[in-house]
Amino acid sequence: NAGVTQTPKFQVLKTGQSMTLQCAQDMNHEYMSWYRQDPGMGLRLIHYSVGAGITDQGEVPNGYNVSRSTTEDFPLRLLSAAPSQTSVYFCASSYSNRNYGYTFGSGTRLTVV
Amino acid sequence: RKEVEQDPGPFNVPEGATVAFNCTYSNSASQSFFWYRQDCRKEPKLLMSVYSSGNEDGRFTAQLNRASQYISLLIRDSKLSDSATYLCVVYTGGGNKLTFGTGTQLKVEL
Repeated sequence: NAGVTQTPKFQVLKTGQSMTLQCAQDMNHEYMSWYRQDPGMGLRLIHYSVGAGITDQGEVPNGYNVSRSTTEDFPLRLLSAAPSQTSVYFCASSYSNRNYGYTFGSGTRLTVV
Repeated sequence: RKEVEQDPGPFNVPEGATVAFNCTYSNSASQSFFWYRQDCRKEPKLLMSVYSSGNEDGRFTAQLNRASQYISLLIRDSKLSDSATYLCVVYTGGGNKLTFGTGTQLKVEL
């Protein structure tokens, strides 16, 4: 099994550009989440989904959109990139986040210039 | 006050040493607790869940103290390969609410 697959691994954007970070999992997990990790801040939740067709905002949702049309895929869209969105982005999935924690993808390192 | 607090370290210990990390959480309604390990420039990986009765996995022991709202991780006989950042994670419920601490850095030296 591939687990959680994120693409791309690295990306440089210009301010104002938009892009989509892809995330796919093959474990039939219902729960999926997007986090960003910044130095000294820990992982912060951007958006999450508890199943296909259901999404909700996390701690830092501004500037990002998500959709969940299938169980497997959970893309994250940056609408108009800003330098403050320079970060490492992790997608994660779980069968039951209460009892099993999350499996993380390998991350996307995004730089906005 | 942060929801989950950890000493950032670094903890520098010699190979073979025993080292302990603590983590405190602020929400008394927190339901589940985890320790994750994160290597430099890699994704976090689940190390172990933490149960009220305490649990052990090889050289690693996790404890939960609900009354004092802290969890701990004990690593015995430290290996060079244990060098990483250890993240304390708390599940508080209400949808998908996992809160991560900022991590404690461990460096195991020869």
